[in-house]
Amino acid sequence: GENVEQHPSTLSVQEGDSAVIKCTYSDSASNYFPWYKQELGKRPQLIIDIRSNVGEKKDQRIAVTLNKTAKHFSLHITETQPEDSAVYFCAVRKGAQKLVFGQGTRLTINP
Amino acid sequence: NAGVMQNPRHLVRRRGQEARLRCSPMKGHSHVYWYRQLPEEGLKFMVYLQKENIIDESGMPKERFSAEFPKEGPSILRIQQVVRGDSAAYFCASSLGTELYGYTFGSGTRLTVV
Repeated sequence: GENVEQHPSTLSVQEGDSAVIKCTYSDSASNYFPWYKQELGKRPQLIIDIRSNVGEKKDQRIAVTLNKTAKHFSLHITETQPEDSAVYFCAVRKGAQKLVFGQGTRLTINP
Repeated sequence: NAGVMQNPRHLVRRRGQEARLRCSPMKGHSHVYWYRQLPEEGLKFMVYLQKENIIDESGMPKERFSAEFPKEGPSILRIQQVVRGDSAAYFCASSLGTELYGYTFGSGTRLTVV
């Protein structure tokens, strides 16, 4: 089955700096790659997603890049703010099947 | 649109009791997915259901756990004879069931076994 590796497990950055989280996957047929943000005690919330026919997608301070050849994709957050502190999960899906999640990255923004 | 509704939000059960978790998908969604999240861990897939069908139960423990999504009413995740290790947050998600759309998660049920 699909295997998703996410790094780093924890990340601490100064407010205003950029944060990058990377995920690798194993199944080259996977074609949908979302990122979820989960605040303490809350549900995972979709923040951005990308499909395999696109290499990069941006939404304000958040961007995702996909390298299909290398089977990895990354989340980029620029101009980080305290409210960006949360746990971020990448996920991978093939067709209409289940999402397989990475292990999560705890992001802390230091004021 | 009320979104994905899960109830109860919190559930306390004694060891050996049964836990029943309910999930009502978003309006128009006929595909439901259950995930379990242990404290400080990621989301682990349990089961994927369509109305009256189990599509993928590869993440379900072989014993004590079952799931259904009847023609009418919510999807139910049932855990029989609960043990302390079942304590976790259980999230339900729904989708239209095509590869064009992502998931929307419910607020989860936090099960505590005492």
